[in-house]
Amino acid sequence: DAGVTQSPTHLIKTRGQQVTLRCSPKSGHDTVSWYQQALGQGPQFIFQYYEEEERQRGNFPDRFSGHQFPNYSSELNVNALLLGDSALYLCASSLNHFGQGGEQYFGPGTRLTVT
Amino acid sequence: AQSVTQLGSHVSVSEGALVLLRCNYSSSVPPYLFWYVQYPNQGLQLLLKYTSAATLVKGINGFEAEFKKSETSFHLTKPSAHMSDAAEYFCAVSGRFGNEKLTFGTGTRLTIIP
Repeated sequence: DAGVTQSPTHLIKTRGQQVTLRCSPKSGHDTVSWYQQALGQGPQFIFQYYEEEERQRGNFPDRFSGHQFPNYSSELNVNALLLGDSALYLCASSLNHFGQGGEQYFGPGTRLTVT
Repeated sequence: AQSVTQLGSHVSVSEGALVLLRCNYSSSVPPYLFWYVQYPNQGLQLLLKYTSAATLVKGINGFEAEFKKSETSFHLTKPSAHMSDAAEYFCAVSGRFGNEKLTFGTGTRLTIIP
């Protein structure tokens, strides 16, 4: 049973560019959450997708956007990259069960470096 | 609003000694509480979780944590440290309704001294 997978593993971009990160949830999961983990910090919640819609959003600017596909996989897009966007981006999947939160399983992350 | 505070960004213990990592939470609603471990260049792995059943929660790799409402604490312990326990540990809190977001602490780096 494959766990949460993310691609790419590493990415280097230049300021002002746009980036797309991808996530495939654990088999049977229908909810995907994205987190940003800056160096030496705890993960910060970006947003969560369920039934192809953004259900919750953290304190991140509109430059951060996402999408969930019918197969539950998800993309995180960041426009107009800033140096401060350099971080490990973590995807977590869970199963929505009668509206109750399920345990979140994390992928290995995508390391984004903005130069 | 919910938050967690992890006391001590770095903790060092000798191999075989007790591990104690501290976490205090703040929540306006009954919380779910979690401990995650992160090894270098890897994602997060769930160690254990409190979801309002038993207040003493046992997790993987010999770790356990006790939920103390009166102290708003959820400290992580392990009786005997092993070299393989060296990692970053994160305490997290969420609400109980719907697929709530996780709010993490700043982490505690655990070093094991041979």
